[in-house]
Amino acid sequence: GAVVSQHPSRVICKSGTSVKIECRSLDFQATTMFWYRQFPKKSLMLMATSNEGSKATYEQGVEKDKFLINHASLTLSTLTVTSAHPEDSSFYICSASVPLGGSYNEQFFGPGTRLTVL
Amino acid sequence: AQSVTQPDIHITVSEGASLELRCNYSYGATPYLFWYVQSPGQGLQLLLKYFSGDTLVQGIKGFEAEFKRSQSSFNLRKPSVHWSDAAEYFCAVGAGTNAGKSTFGDGTTLTVKP
Repeated sequence: GAVVSQHPSRVICKSGTSVKIECRSLDFQATTMFWYRQFPKKSLMLMATSNEGSKATYEQGVEKDKFLINHASLTLSTLTVTSAHPEDSSFYICSASVPLGGSYNEQFFGPGTRLTVL
Repeated sequence: AQSVTQPDIHITVSEGASLELRCNYSYGATPYLFWYVQSPGQGLQLLLKYFSGDTLVQGIKGFEAEFKRSQSSFNLRKPSVHWSDAAEYFCAVGAGTNAGKSTFGDGTTLTVKP
């Protein structure tokens, strides 16, 4: 199956700093990627849909100025958490969408990035 | 709007015993349904999916799931659980026309007793 990587796998930063998380599709091109946030013992919450070459579409309640998404190429999407605060600490997971025929696109998930803001 | 309910937050089974994880969904049309497994600190791995056709679908690692439209359910089963199956399991419903965007249930934590 398709492989999606994330970097870094774990990051600790000070409050007020910005952190960039990369999501890469390693062996395929992904025109669409998704960013999720997962709290401990909780489900995945979709934050935004990242489309190559265009602006990301954010879900309701997600601050677009706080969580900057860039999808500059068909294999890379980045999520930048700006001016991070402790409440931004979470597990961030990306997925890449691969069309498999008809209207269906399968998602392949990255391994996640654990962000801790001190 | 689509939604997914996983009624069981935590399930404990003995190794070798059978397993059934419940999933109920709400969706206006024929849903795309998925089961994922997540090990601690890891991303999600697709176990199986249902689009149409045979309502009993086979997945990886010996898992299967049955789609029951009348009950709006898509329960995951495994006849004999292995200790390595201990993980978090998520059911998801996908809006197929929306490039794979999915809504996830809250997950069920599976503990396997020796």
